Amino acid sequence: EPEVTQTPSHQVTQMGQEVILRCVPISNHLYFYWYRQILGQKVEFLVSFYNNEISEKSEIFDDQFSVERPDGSNFTLKIRSTKLEDSAMYFCASRADRRQETQYFGPGTRLLVL
Amino acid sequence: AQSVTQLDSQVPVFEEAPVELRCNYSSSVSVYLFWYVQYPNQGLQLLLKYLSGSTLVKGINGFEAEFNKSQTSFHLRKPSVHISDTAEYFCAVRNSGAGSYQLTFGKGTKLSVIP
Repeated sequence: EPEVTQTPSHQVTQMGQEVILRCVPISNHLYFYWYRQILGQKVEFLVSFYNNEISEKSEIFDDQFSVERPDGSNFTLKIRSTKLEDSAMYFCASRADRRQETQYFGPGTRLLVL
Repeated sequence: AQSVTQLDSQVPVFEEAPVELRCNYSSSVSVYLFWYVQYPNQGLQLLLKYLSGSTLVKGINGFEAEFNKSQTSFHLRKPSVHISDTAEYFCAVRNSGAGSYQLTFGKGTKLSVIP
């Protein structure tokens, strides 16, 4: 069964460094999402992406964040200058098309900012 | 805006016993409702969803949930749990109107099945 994959599974970085989290959505899916979960807190929506542009973003998704679909398979989340509070599990999800309701999630990348 | 409350952060239950995981939501508009499960070191997997129609929804692995609009609840149930059901369960909602597909999640409930 097709699945969403994410790399790396774990990432440790120093405060102020840039990180790129990578996701490979399910092939032929058109809608892409990033969510995050700070330890002990709720899974929170960050951004949705369709047709090579952001379709929706939350208040969390400020100027330090950016998303890109650099090629036909990858979907990336870049955090430009990481802060301690960016430490979280980051989930990527994809959805097939506008008629399909289900978002398929990847296993997540655990980011630790020191 | 919507919010989701999962009152139980942890639920221990003996194998073959029934279980109910509670979910309440708050929204000023109609919503779609979802339950996701996360097994260790895996992503969130959809268990079931309510979009419309019958308020009793059956999902994978023998789980079911009932949408109760008056009580704004969407509790998840299974009549007899297995060790393999040990996981974290997340309730989520989204505005059923067009334009926004973002999911709003609860904090999750960790189900521990005791042999």
